Amino acid sequence: DQQVKQNSPSLSVQEGRISILNCDYTNSMFDYFLWYKKYPAEGPTFLISISSIKDKNEDGRFTVFLNKSAKHLSLHIVPSQPGDSAVYFCAASNTGNQFYFGTGTSLTVIP
Amino acid sequence: GAGVSQSPRYKVAKRGQDVALRCDPISGHVSLFWYQQALGQGPEFLTYFQNEAQLDKSGLPSDRFFAERPEGSVSTLKIQRTQQEDSAVYLCASSLGSSGRAYEQFFGPGTRLTVL
Repeated sequence: DQQVKQNSPSLSVQEGRISILNCDYTNSMFDYFLWYKKYPAEGPTFLISISSIKDKNEDGRFTVFLNKSAKHLSLHIVPSQPGDSAVYFCAASNTGNQFYFGTGTSLTVIP
Repeated sequence: GAGVSQSPRYKVAKRGQDVALRCDPISGHVSLFWYQQALGQGPEFLTYFQNEAQLDKSGLPSDRFFAERPEGSVSTLKIQRTQQEDSAVYLCASSLGSSGRAYEQFFGPGTRLTVL
């Protein structure tokens, strides 16, 4: 019973265009959401987060949107750069201690 | 290095062997988490420490898995009588605060365990 789902295993985007990564969740009690970026042979690194009291959080080229009614969040990267090529995981929490991760989306930004 | 470190980076064990995986969190970080990441999957929560106290071990898959953090810093994840299904990358993460939510988690590079 995967509580956090990333239905697109991979995504390719041209450099300079927008990358949109999607994530769906099933547990309405989740109230904190994060995106992590992972390069091969490294651990995930924190990218951006959003609390359920907000519907948008922006940090430079990265923006996370939360649609609570649809139980959906998305990460927008604009403009996309080749260095953004990595696996992106979304994660959700309702306790602050236990985080549930999606299966990841591999983003390739084509120069 | 200021980051989370894990050792060994790679471990090959024969089925039935015991293994011990070490995590050195960032100095001063109160919270420590262990995750298991199977191939093609996202990290799955195993257990959580606040200082030396293990506050949540609900994710440990069986009683063959045991974690400790006796002095509130370094942590060890021990797997007894390893099975092939234990093959995965084991990730450790630490965070500054007493709640993983309020603070971002910093992950180590992981230990890739292969059980033959």
